[in-house]
Amino acid sequence: NAGVTQTPKFRVLKTGQSMTLLCAQDMNHEYMYWYRQDPGMGLRLIHYSVGEGTTAKGEVPDGYNVSRLKKQNFLLGLESAAPSQTSVYFCASSYSRPYEQYFGPGTRLTVT
Amino acid sequence: AQSVSQHNHHVILSEAASLELGCNYSYGGTVNLFWYVQYPGQHLQLLLKYFSGDPLVKGIKGFEAEFIKSKFSFNLRKPSVQWSDTAEYFCAGGSGNTGKLIFGQGTTLQVKP
Repeated sequence: NAGVTQTPKFRVLKTGQSMTLLCAQDMNHEYMYWYRQDPGMGLRLIHYSVGEGTTAKGEVPDGYNVSRLKKQNFLLGLESAAPSQTSVYFCASSYSRPYEQYFGPGTRLTVT
Repeated sequence: AQSVSQHNHHVILSEAASLELGCNYSYGGTVNLFWYVQYPGQHLQLLLKYFSGDPLVKGIKGFEAEFIKSKFSFNLRKPSVQWSDTAEYFCAGGSGNTGKLIFGQGTTLQVKP
């Protein structure tokens, strides 16, 4: 049981490049979330999903897109990376109690 | 707007000292509150949670928190900290059925041996 995994762990992008972050969970959780963590700002919700095929905007969705084609996977896309998107990105999932979220190890993204 | 705030941004303690980290929330309705911990280089782990019932909640590693509705607070406590408690601590709250959590800014705890 791997829990929540994230790919890749580290990435450096140049401004304007695109990339996709993959989150996978093997706990059969319905809810999945993408957060970004920045110093002094805690975690801020980017997008979330309450089930396969559904997505919704969180607190800071601009510049990101997501897809949940399979229940176990939640993809976060950056179409045209900007330096302001330099951050650590965490994926999380939850099941019957939507608030008890389980977090992945994070992806450290640097945009130059 | 819903918010969760943590008053202490950086706390430095010596081993065996007592710990209390403040957390306040500002929203009504059903309240669900959490404390998460992030050890250096690791992902967030759940320390404890409050959904309803006994307002004094016990979590892992000797941590506890008390929900005080009248003060909109959910402070984290530990009677005697250890060097291994050095980490960043996040308070979070949620309401409704969207599953969304609102996180506080985080408190960095440094425990000196």
